[in-house]
Amino acid sequence: AQKVTQAQTEISVVEKEDVTLDCVYETRDTTYYLFWYKQPPSGELVFLIRRNSFDEQNEISGRYSWNFQKSTSSFNFTITASQVVDSAVYFCALSEANSGNTPLVFGKGTRLSVIA
Amino acid sequence: GAGVSQSPRYKVAKRGQDVALRCDPISGHVSLFWYQQALGQGPEFLTYFQNEAQLDKSGLPSDRFFAERPEGSVSTLKIQRTQQEDSAVYLCASRQHRGPSYEQYFGPGTRLTVT
Repeated sequence: AQKVTQAQTEISVVEKEDVTLDCVYETRDTTYYLFWYKQPPSGELVFLIRRNSFDEQNEISGRYSWNFQKSTSSFNFTITASQVVDSAVYFCALSEANSGNTPLVFGKGTRLSVIA
Repeated sequence: GAGVSQSPRYKVAKRGQDVALRCDPISGHVSLFWYQQALGQGPEFLTYFQNEAQLDKSGLPSDRFFAERPEGSVSTLKIQRTQQEDSAVYLCASRQHRGPSYEQYFGPGTRLTVT
């Protein structure tokens, strides 16, 4: 069965600090996809990144970076030099390639508060 | 272009009432998903459409929940005889293609409160 665990329920940091959001996943499939979404107070989930299980190369996009490690089943997300606008709930999600309809399985989310 | 839209944004229903929630996906997107998000939780899958075909409804919590997408675009999620445990945000997402490698784009959700 698929499962995504985000152990950090809430994180609070001061602006300009770096922060890492943890994500651990479980799946029996060898082909799967991992996602991060941001949910600001407005409620709409905003897509941030997608990785497939065959590509463990880390990715950087501006202040955002992602560390994918299959050996530990983790897909962690780091925000460098955090800003107040980064305050939101962040969700990690998993989609298996062979599960037919391929819905996303989400973690419970991590609420990030960036204080000015 | 226009994103996924949902209406109404907020709905208050008395227990026992029927409600209908609408989703307008991104034009041309083949796949459409409904999710339910309880307070403080991640979204949970309800049902999936590929064009007009409902291919998976395994996440619907009871037979009071019904979804349709008759022309392969707009979708409606209907909840009959609402109960307090139905209170949640209902999210709709669309995806351009069938494959799981493509990201899903979410609407703003409908917050349903059953009193």
